Amino acid sequence: DAGVIQSPRHEVTEMGQEVTLRCKPISGHNSLFWYRQTMMRGLELLIYFNNNVPIDDSGMPEDRFSAKMPNASFSTLKIQPSEPRDSAVYFCASTGAGNQPQHFGDGTRLSIL
Amino acid sequence: GDSVTQMEGPVTLSEEAFLTINCTYTATGYPSLFWYVQYPGEGLQLLLKATKADDKGSNKGFEATYRKETTSFHLEKGSVQVSDSAVYFCALHQRGAQKLVFGQGTRLTINP
Repeated sequence: DAGVIQSPRHEVTEMGQEVTLRCKPISGHNSLFWYRQTMMRGLELLIYFNNNVPIDDSGMPEDRFSAKMPNASFSTLKIQPSEPRDSAVYFCASTGAGNQPQHFGDGTRLSIL
Repeated sequence: GDSVTQMEGPVTLSEEAFLTINCTYTATGYPSLFWYVQYPGEGLQLLLKATKADDKGSNKGFEATYRKETTSFHLEKGSVQVSDSAVYFCALHQRGAQKLVFGQGTRLTINP
C-alpha cells in the first residue's frame, strides 16, 4: 500500500517567494495533519483536518501560512511570503477513524535563503 | 493541558548495551500511549503502542509498559544495535480527540 506521499522532498527558494507543499494521504484516511520540525522547537502541529474540514489551526505561526484540503486525497500548505525562519522539515500525516496511529510522510525539507 | 516529557538527549550507547528512554505524561482520563521512531531523512514511524493501563507494547525487541500509577511509558531494549540509531518520540492520544501530543524526542546513537 502506498503511504503518505509528500512533494517536493526538498525545496530551496529565496525569501519573499511563495512556497507550496503538497500531501496525498493514505486512501481511506479521514484525518490529515501538518507538522513542522526544527532543531530549536522540535515537532510542532500546525493544523489538522477531519473529513477535509480544518479543525484546529492554532499551531499555524502567522497569516503567512495557509492550508487547504480541497478533497480527501490532497492537501496543500502554503507560505507566502516565505522567510528564512520558515526553514524546517514539514511533515504530513494521516489517520483513519477511531484510535488508529498516525502515518507520516517522509517530509519536505524547506530552505529559505 | 495534556503533556509528555521525555528523557533529555542525546543518548549514546555501545552496541549490545541495555537501553532505557524515560517518558512520563500528564493527562486526564485514560489516553493511549505510543512510541514513534524517526530514522535519518525519514518521517516518524509507529514503533509500539499501549491502549490501557498495564498493557505492554512490543516491537523489534523494544518494549514499553503503560504504568498509570507512575504515569510513565518508558522504552526499553535489552541489546541495542547500530541500526537502532534514530530519534524516538513518546506520544499520547486522548479518546475522542484526533491529535497526538508528542514529547520533545530523544536522539539515540549506537556506536559499534
